[in-house]
Amino acid sequence: GAGVSQTPSNKVTEKGKYVELRCDPISGHTALYWYRQSLGQGPEFLIYFQGTGAADDSGLPNDRFFAVRPEGSVSTLKIQRTERGDSAMYLCASSHLAAYSYNEQFFGPGTRLTVL
Amino acid sequence: GDSVTQMEGPVTLSEEAFLTINCTYTATGYPSLFWYVQYPGEGLQLLLKATKADDKGSNKGFEATYRKETTSFHLEKGSVQVSDSAVYFCALSGSQGNLIFGKGTKLSVKP
Repeated sequence: GAGVSQTPSNKVTEKGKYVELRCDPISGHTALYWYRQSLGQGPEFLIYFQGTGAADDSGLPNDRFFAVRPEGSVSTLKIQRTERGDSAMYLCASSHLAAYSYNEQFFGPGTRLTVL
Repeated sequence: GDSVTQMEGPVTLSEEAFLTINCTYTATGYPSLFWYVQYPGEGLQLLLKATKADDKGSNKGFEATYRKETTSFHLEKGSVQVSDSAVYFCALSGSQGNLIFGKGTKLSVKP
């Protein structure tokens, strides 16, 4: 079946602009995670959804970052007033169940965001 | 907070050499441990996992054993191939099932 998809694959924007990054999880997966990966680093957790609600948003760096998942499937990560330091690969992952530490997370290919 | 430390790369080996990538962790509770791999041009994918102490995860000739006494989860393979060239990430599970990753180790295998 289809894996996790993310669009766009690349996004170039100017400092101060607003961007939206989209994630389509695997059908039926209730848990959805966003991570950010800077060059040469491992992915860092941003936010976790269980169904429609954000169960843990403790990884969001500041209030310019926001994410939604209104119907419990597709999720959108929104970044306001982008800064050059926001440049990174943004990864989305989904899993069948949440709050069980051994459930495999399936990752999308990522969106590479570049803020000029 | 919980964290993962893995050996820094890059690691360059000849084909059929033995591979070890060290990984140690700090965590409260009893997390599950994972190795993820990122092949060139591809997304992250799970390589192997272990959910409790003394468990051994294995896949594609790779192995790692969950060592609670040394808080380690070292990745090993007896004979690497060129196709194993990739970036390897050690990770542990957070309280919400989120993953906490190390910085990654780039492996290059030469023919």
